[in-house]
Amino acid sequence: GENVEQHPSTLSVQEGDSAVIKCTYSDSASNYFPWYKQELGKGPQLIIDIRSNVGEKKDQRIAVTLNKTAKHFSLHITETQPEDSAVYFCAATNMNTGFQKLVFGTGTRLLVSP
Amino acid sequence: NAGVTQTPKFRVLKTGQSMTLLCAQDMNHEYMYWYRQDPGMGLRLIHYSVGEGTTAKGEVPDGYNVSRLKKQNFLLGLESAAPSQTSVYFCASIDRPRGGGGNQPQHFGDGTRLSIL
Repeated sequence: GENVEQHPSTLSVQEGDSAVIKCTYSDSASNYFPWYKQELGKGPQLIIDIRSNVGEKKDQRIAVTLNKTAKHFSLHITETQPEDSAVYFCAATNMNTGFQKLVFGTGTRLLVSP
Repeated sequence: NAGVTQTPKFRVLKTGQSMTLLCAQDMNHEYMYWYRQDPGMGLRLIHYSVGEGTTAKGEVPDGYNVSRLKKQNFLLGLESAAPSQTSVYFCASIDRPRGGGGNQPQHFGDGTRLSIL
């Protein structure tokens, strides 16, 4: 089955810096890669996603890149703000199964200091 | 519009006790999921359902049972709680994919924090 590894487990940056979180996956059949943000005491919330037919996707200060050959994908946050502080999870799944059985990474705790 | 609601929010059990966690969604979603979240291990799928009356095992199903008697509700049961089941439990739901797209966001509840002594 699919296995997703995520690094780093903790990331501390200064406000305004960029943050990069990296994930690798094992199953070449995986073709959908969402990123979720989890704030303290809340459930995860989707912030951006990418399909395997696309190499990069941007949404304002957030971008995701995908390298299918190397089986890795990354989340990039530019101009970080204190409200970006949260735990971020990557995930992977094969959409062709129809019911989106996500396999999550172990999470990255991002701390943005003012 | 409440989205996904989990009850209770917190619970402490003694080893061997039983309990049921309730997940309710008001979005008429077809698919529902139960995850557990443990430190350093991310979210792991316990059981899921692709429609009313259906259930299937996920990655870590042992010690849990589920039921989906009504489309809007997905229940997670612990028949005989063990300390290893101390965790935060999350429920999620999505609608049935249409047009070949399975990339809809899973909508998560805010979790149930369960401690088993």
